[in-house]
Amino acid sequence: SQQGEEDPQALSIQEGENATMNCSYKTSINNLQWYRQNSGRGLVHLILIRSNEREKHSGRLRVTLDTSKKSSSLLITASRAADTASYFCATDDNYGQNFVFGPGTRLSVLP
Amino acid sequence: EPEVTQTPSHQVTQMGQEVILRCVPISNHLYFYWYRQILGQKVEFLVSFYNNEISEKSEIFDDQFSVERPDGSNFTLKIRSTKLEDSAMYFCASSETGRVGELFFGEGSRLTVL
Repeated sequence: SQQGEEDPQALSIQEGENATMNCSYKTSINNLQWYRQNSGRGLVHLILIRSNEREKHSGRLRVTLDTSKKSSSLLITASRAADTASYFCATDDNYGQNFVFGPGTRLSVLP
Repeated sequence: EPEVTQTPSHQVTQMGQEVILRCVPISNHLYFYWYRQILGQKVEFLVSFYNNEISEKSEIFDDQFSVERPDGSNFTLKIRSTKLEDSAMYFCASSETGRVGELFFGEGSRLTVL
């Protein structure tokens, strides 16, 4: 199936460090998105990168996309305790209108 | 800022009972979705809805599930006869542009089936 898989499953870092999360997927995509979920809350859209883009920035976030390797990475620079959350990648497929989410990376930023 | 709202935030029900979860998508959005998340697990696609009909549904979305847009604002998910394994967070999402755009999620409805 068209599913993103994030790694690592869990990541624990100190405040101020950078956090890198990766996502791999199986088939061609139109775009890939990253979402954040605080515990018990809804998902919040962070950034969308289209299949013809290689890198995108938004504040402290940097997303890369390598379609040849079918992978993406999310980098959070200068992390803060408030960045503690689960991060999910979501991919569309070329046929349907649904987005498929990976299992997520649980990020803990320690003060 | 416009947002997707969901009610109830938490519902407890007995196995076999019918449940209706309600969502008010963002007003100018045309694509609507239901996802669910069993505690601590991945977010699973249930169904997408566009132009007053189901666009796509997953294997999870069996005959016990149905969706409806009864008026111009609400989007509902009905589970006819709940099972224990239906216990999860159910998220509604809407999108202006379907698969090429971002999804806006509600805060979810937690369903507990006893």
